[in-house]
Amino acid sequence: EVQLLESGGDLVEPGGSLRLSCVATGFSLSDHAVSWVRQAPGKGLEWVSSLSGYHGSAKYADSLQGRFTISRDNSKNTLYLQMYSLRVEDTAVYYCAKDYGDLRYFFDFWGQGALVTVSS
Amino acid sequence: QSALTQPASVSGSPGQSITISCTGTGSDVGSHTLVSWYQQHPGRAPKLIIYDVNKRPSGVSRRFSGAKSGNTASLTISGLQTEDEADYYCCSSTTSDTLLYVFGTGTRVTVL
Repeated sequence: EVQLLESGGDLVEPGGSLRLSCVATGFSLSDHAVSWVRQAPGKGLEWVSSLSGYHGSAKYADSLQGRFTISRDNSKNTLYLQMYSLRVEDTAVYYCAKDYGDLRYFFDFWGQGALVTVSS
Repeated sequence: QSALTQPASVSGSPGQSITISCTGTGSDVGSHTLVSWYQQHPGRAPKLIIYDVNKRPSGVSRRFSGAKSGNTASLTISGLQTEDEADYYCCSSTTSDTLLYVFGTGTRVTVL
């Protein structure tokens, strides 16, 4: 059974850093792309970043302006999102979502989300 | 490239059919069949209900159907039920190398 479990959400001050984790079970991160999708309070879904399965290449939304880094640990089958220079507008629930294929397909499984609050 | 355009809200009575539109551009919805739809109940994670424009994952009710014409995709819910009350988002892959996926603005479905 495919499952995604996020952790690491927290309250952080503007300018701070935070790392989210997403443990995947039931499939290998080397076989499928996995993405981070966020949802600000009361707002819609926004794609943040993806890591391809086979090549491990990373893609990011332009709006992040280079502040986030996506990575994975194959031995732990865990995806990470390292966030730097956090802003109030980064406040959101961050979901990790499995792609059906290796990028640009659709998200067939989602985690329960991790809440990141950026506030002083 | 901005979000795909959806109506903010759609409502219907139990048993009725409703349709939600999702309008994009030739760089996303209009460029391929990689359009998907997600249902999200309050406080819950999104759930895939339609992929590849009109395919249903196993376990998703046949009351949900999808279609596409040009740059506009649509989701129809037939035989509306109270449990269908939720937010619905379309999503499309894009031709951009820096914006892999674009979501719709979201539609709140209310069952009257």
